[in-house]
Amino acid sequence: EMVMTQSPATLSVSPGESATLSCRASQPVDFNLAWYQQKPGQSPRLLIYGASTRATGVPARFSGSGSWTDFTLTISSLQSEDFAVYYCQEYNNWRHTFGQGTKLEIK
Amino acid sequence: EVQLLESGGNLVQPGGSLRLSCAVSGFSIRTYAMRWVRQAPGKGLEWVAVIGDSGGPTYYADSVEGRFIVSRDISRSTLYLQMDSLRAEDTAVYYCANDVRGYYHYWGQGTLVTVSS
Repeated sequence: EMVMTQSPATLSVSPGESATLSCRASQPVDFNLAWYQQKPGQSPRLLIYGASTRATGVPARFSGSGSWTDFTLTISSLQSEDFAVYYCQEYNNWRHTFGQGTKLEIK
Repeated sequence: EVQLLESGGNLVQPGGSLRLSCAVSGFSIRTYAMRWVRQAPGKGLEWVAVIGDSGGPTYYADSVEGRFIVSRDISRSTLYLQMDSLRAEDTAVYYCANDVRGYYHYWGQGTLVTVSS
């Protein structure tokens, strides 16, 4: 069974600073990893796919890296609208698994 | 403009049934596999079911296998999720989304299913 572990569970960062979110897969997923942003009361929004490709319209301050089992989402120069919950999702086969989420909050 | 509009969520007793719908506009549901994803109150995201772009195959999470059935109607551009033998742990917001080679580009706004007596 695939398990996606995100860390930390909560990250407190000041606006203007950078945030680094981690996601680890229990089995190799190559580059088949996506990141989503979810704000309260809203649907998830695709940010990154293929581990490092930004989705259409996603600001350049969002960047993804990693492969195999270890992945990172970096958000530079945090804006007020970036404070949300972030989920990673692997899609190495048809049975997809999400991480439990990292809540990015204002420090 | 792409829109996915879920409907059919409601309060239902344990053991009951519901059918959710997801009306799609802005693209053909023959173009992508389509998925249902759910989110229990205050919890994370869980993939539930998928139907392939050709109408098959279909796959289900272990937690719903044998109780839920995903289907689609091309003529209505609508995705469905038939949910039977509902349990309290099925309480969640249910989203539909298109599966673009594994990642989910467009999402609906969700519909709330509450299973309670």
